[in-house]
Amino acid sequence: DTGVSQDPRHKITKRGQNVTFRCDPISEHNRLYWYRQTLGQGPEFLTYFQNEAQLEKSRLLSDRFSAERPKGSFSTLEIQRTEQGDSAMYLCASSSRRGEEPQHFGDGTRLSIL
Amino acid sequence: DAKTTQPNSMESNEEEPVHLPCNHSTISGTDYIHWYRQLPSQGPEYVIHGLTSNVNNRMASLAIAEDRKSSTLILHRATLRDAAVYYCILRDVSVGGGADGLTFGKGTHLIIQP
Repeated sequence: DTGVSQDPRHKITKRGQNVTFRCDPISEHNRLYWYRQTLGQGPEFLTYFQNEAQLEKSRLLSDRFSAERPKGSFSTLEIQRTEQGDSAMYLCASSSRRGEEPQHFGDGTRLSIL
Repeated sequence: DAKTTQPNSMESNEEEPVHLPCNHSTISGTDYIHWYRQLPSQGPEYVIHGLTSNVNNRMASLAIAEDRKSSTLILHRATLRDAAVYYCILRDVSVGGGADGLTFGKGTHLIIQP
């Protein structure tokens, strides 16, 4: 079990630039989740996939945010035209098919907007 | 997912047991009680979960009240490495539920004194 891997660990960019983060889930996990965490708060759910299907995206913060999981394996989260308020930790998690099974989190990508 | 209430912070001494409370008075019959913890600069880590009966694993024990309106996470012998934010989360696993992401509150910040 290599765990959930996220890349990069840190991203610093200028306001207005586009950024993309990658998540590699645990290999046998069907479900993949994205969260955002700001300082002093718990993680906030953004979106999730079951295999390649994105089954929930209404929680994405704006239309500048999008996510893909084209082959049902790794996933990417893209933020277009970044704003200062996008500075946060972006976390990815994966789980197996059963609803009550725990989610396994990566250590996140910390985004800083200059 | 139903709401939980936890103390903002708790303090304990190293090598002593720690009891972390969680209230969830609006829990439904299909809500599992999950606990996660988050160490500094890391993603959340699954600790334990249960439905009605008390549960034990290598990390902790979960004691669930008979009416299920509260639960307690028990760390039997705290170490400095247990200093983290602990989140109590309800997870609906009914048909059509349990598919969305986890709903994190602010959790309990556990401080361990040497």
